[in-house]
Parts: sequence; structure tokens; C-alpha cells
Amino acid sequence: DAEITQSPRHKITETGRQVTLACHQTWNHNNMFWYRQDLGHGLRLIHYSYGVQDTNKGEVSDGYSVSRSNTEDLPLTLESAASSQTSVYFCASSEGLQPQHFGDGTRLSIL
Amino acid sequence: DQQVKQNSPSLSVQEGRISILNCDYTNSMFDYFLWYKKYPAEGPTFLISISSIKDKNEDGRFTVFLNKSAKHLSLHIVPSQPGDSAVYFCAASARNFNKFYFGSGTKLNVKP
Repeated sequence: DAEITQSPRHKITETGRQVTLACHQTWNHNNMFWYRQDLGHGLRLIHYSYGVQDTNKGEVSDGYSVSRSNTEDLPLTLESAASSQTSVYFCASSEGLQPQHFGDGTRLSIL
Repeated sequence: DQQVKQNSPSLSVQEGRISILNCDYTNSMFDYFLWYKKYPAEGPTFLISISSIKDKNEDGRFTVFLNKSAKHLSLHIVPSQPGDSAVYFCAASARNFNKFYFGSGTKLNVKP
């Protein structure tokens, strides 16, 4: 069965460190998305990609970057982690305007 | 400014009764709407959708109603079951956007 997996599921790191969260999908979807979920804000879009070599900024992109070198993967990098980036991060994929398939999330704590 | 709003952070309903979850949007370009359900420690899963050419879509116990003039949609769950206890997100998009805007979620608790 096709799936979308995120790793790690939990991570604790220190401010100033670079952190990379992995997202891998086997749906062969062109569209991939990264969201963060915070209390009172729901899911906010960080970055998204419509295909290989394509990346776009979402509504909360400052401090984050992504790269899309193949269809399956969209890693999210925090260049210099800040405590305000403590959150639960979700990756999703879709084709066209079909409903997105989500991973189970990465809980990131920045101390 | 949030384009999709869920103004009720939580809702508690007795098993067997109706649950009504509400969602408002501000962007008149939105023409496609979805509801997702999320359990703790899991990702959201797609529940039901509606296009702006309809005002109602039904799937088993779940019905979504769309009022375009009021920019409002609602999700009805009848009858509610304890397994429906979860956080529900509404999401909206326009055909040429290819991405979705999510509300802040409503936590539904169905009491046995």
C-alpha cells in the first residue's frame, strides 16, 4: 500500500542547531506540503512543492527551507532552530486538488 | 489573517445525538471544501468534501452543508459515536490554487 512516512517521530534539539525533518511518500504524487500545528492556529502551511525542483513559500516560511530533488521526498530544514519553532510538523502529499494524504507527524522540541 | 475559521475550539455531544461542526471562510474564490479528522498522535485523514456547485454532500453518517452566500459550511454527524471523538479540521481551496487553507480545528468529544 502507498503511504507517506515522516522521520523522526520525536526530536529534541537546542536553539541554533540545524535540524532536518524527513518526508517520504510512495503515492507518486507531484504535490507535497509541510505544515506546522500549534494550539489555536490549526495547520499552517510552511512550504510546498508541485514537482521536482519546484518549491514555494507558504504563510509561515521564515526560518525554514525545503528542496525537492525527486518525486518521493521533501525534507524540511530549520537552518538555525529557535524556540518558537517548537511544534508538531506534518507532511502531506496530493495530486491536483485531490484530498491530501498526511504523515503521522514529527513532534519537535527546541530547548 | 486566517481565511478559514473554526470559532468553536471544542464541542461535547452525547452518544446518539447530532454533532454539528461549523466553519467560516472569507475568500470568495474558494470553491472546494474538505473536512479532515485527526486522532492524537496521528496525521489528519480525509473525511468528506464538497464543491461549490453543490450545497450538500452526504456520506453515511456524515453530511456537509455549504452556504455560499454566508461563506459558511458545516459538518453534521448523525448519530454521533464515541469513536468520532477527534479534532476536526475544515479546509478550503480554489481550483487554480492547488493548495488548501485550514481552520484551527474543533475538538469533538462524544460521551457514551
